[in-house]
Amino acid sequence: GDSVTQMEGPVTLSEEAFLTINCTYTATGYPSLFWYVQYPGEGLQLLLKATKADDKGSNKGFEATYRKETTSFHLEKGSVQVSDSAVYFCALSDEGRDDKIIFGKGTRLHILP
Amino acid sequence: KAGVTQTPRYLIKTRGQQVTLSCSPISGHRSVSWYQQTPGQGLQFLFEYFSETQRNKGNFPGRFSGRQFSNSRSEMNVSTLELGDSALYLCASRQAGGANEAFFGQGTRLTVV
Repeated sequence: GDSVTQMEGPVTLSEEAFLTINCTYTATGYPSLFWYVQYPGEGLQLLLKATKADDKGSNKGFEATYRKETTSFHLEKGSVQVSDSAVYFCALSDEGRDDKIIFGKGTRLHILP
Repeated sequence: KAGVTQTPRYLIKTRGQQVTLSCSPISGHRSVSWYQQTPGQGLQFLFEYFSETQRNKGNFPGRFSGRQFSNSRSEMNVSTLELGDSALYLCASRQAGGANEAFFGQGTRLTVV
């Protein structure tokens, strides 16, 4: 079945460092891809999404490009801030199959001042 | 537009009891999904309801059940609670269609003692 694999955390970086969180997926169809973020004590909220190959999603300085050839959707940010400390989830949804959203296990990010 | 509302926010129950959690989706959203989040297992899909019908189901025992009402509000029930059921239960609503993102509530923190 469809699945999402993302890098294990925690990831610890200094403020203003470059961030990459790797995400790869397995899907039989043509899924939409998402990154969600969860701040402490809160539910998940959408960070960005891409719905077809080569699309780039972006929001709040974060970017991810839908790479069909490598089945990847890596999250990047050029200069992280302490306020970016959170748990990040990569996810997919395949309308052609059962349309449910499948999440990766999440990557905890710590940014040190 | 009001967001996804989950009640109660916190709950403490004793082993063997049962519990009912409630979720009010965003107006106009007919799909409601439930997830269990624990530190060890991450975010696990419980089930999804669409227009009062269970459309998808995760790999959980029959003690976990749910339903959706005609106004799209949803409830999930856990019977014969076990210590391992302690978790954050998240509800998400979305419009139908794989490209549409899910909107999450803040969750219900269930502690079983």
